[in-house]
Amino acid sequence: GNSVTQMEGPVTLSEEAFLTINCTYTATGYPSLFWYVQYPGEGLQLLLKATKADDKGSNKGFEATYRKETTSFHLEKGSVQVSDSAVYFCALNSGGSNYKLTFGKGTLLTVNP
Amino acid sequence: DTEVTQTPKHLVMGMTNKKSLKCEQHMGHRAMYWYKQKAKKPPELMFVYSYEKLSINESVPSRFSPECPNSSLLNLHLHALQPEDSALYLCASSQGTGERNEQFFGPGTRLTVL
Repeated sequence: GNSVTQMEGPVTLSEEAFLTINCTYTATGYPSLFWYVQYPGEGLQLLLKATKADDKGSNKGFEATYRKETTSFHLEKGSVQVSDSAVYFCALNSGGSNYKLTFGKGTLLTVNP
Repeated sequence: DTEVTQTPKHLVMGMTNKKSLKCEQHMGHRAMYWYKQKAKKPPELMFVYSYEKLSINESVPSRFSPECPNSSLLNLHLHALQPEDSALYLCASSQGTGERNEQFFGPGTRLTVL
């Protein structure tokens, strides 16, 4: 079956530090990959996505590249801000008759001023 | 309009109460979802509606009863819940159900069962 493994954290960084959150996956077929962010007390927001190998998703300074050879979709940001403090979920959708998003366990990021 | 809205934002209910959660989207999406999220965990899929028909029930207890009155609305009827059902209930929608369709989530209803 499908699975997503991401570093669980928590991750604590100082403002303007470089961020990497690792995500690897196991899936049948050709899944689409997503990063969702959940700010405290809120629902999930789609941060970025990639639908095929070598695609790079980007949004709000965050980037992730779909690497089929390493089955990875690591999230990066060059300079984090306090407002980036949230839980980040890596997810995949392999489609077909299985409509499910398969989520990683989530990574709590705290950015200190 | 790219929003999924959910009401109420918070709900406290006793184990003998009957209540309903509501979800609405006006993006023309044809798939809608209910998820349950416990603290510090990822969302768990409960139900999927595709073209207003129930497509997936992830073995959810019958005290949770979904309803899709039309393509924009999704309800979750609650009856005789247990304290362990306390969680954040998230609604989501997507254009379709293929692998390229991202799901858009609402803000959730935080449910407390006493």
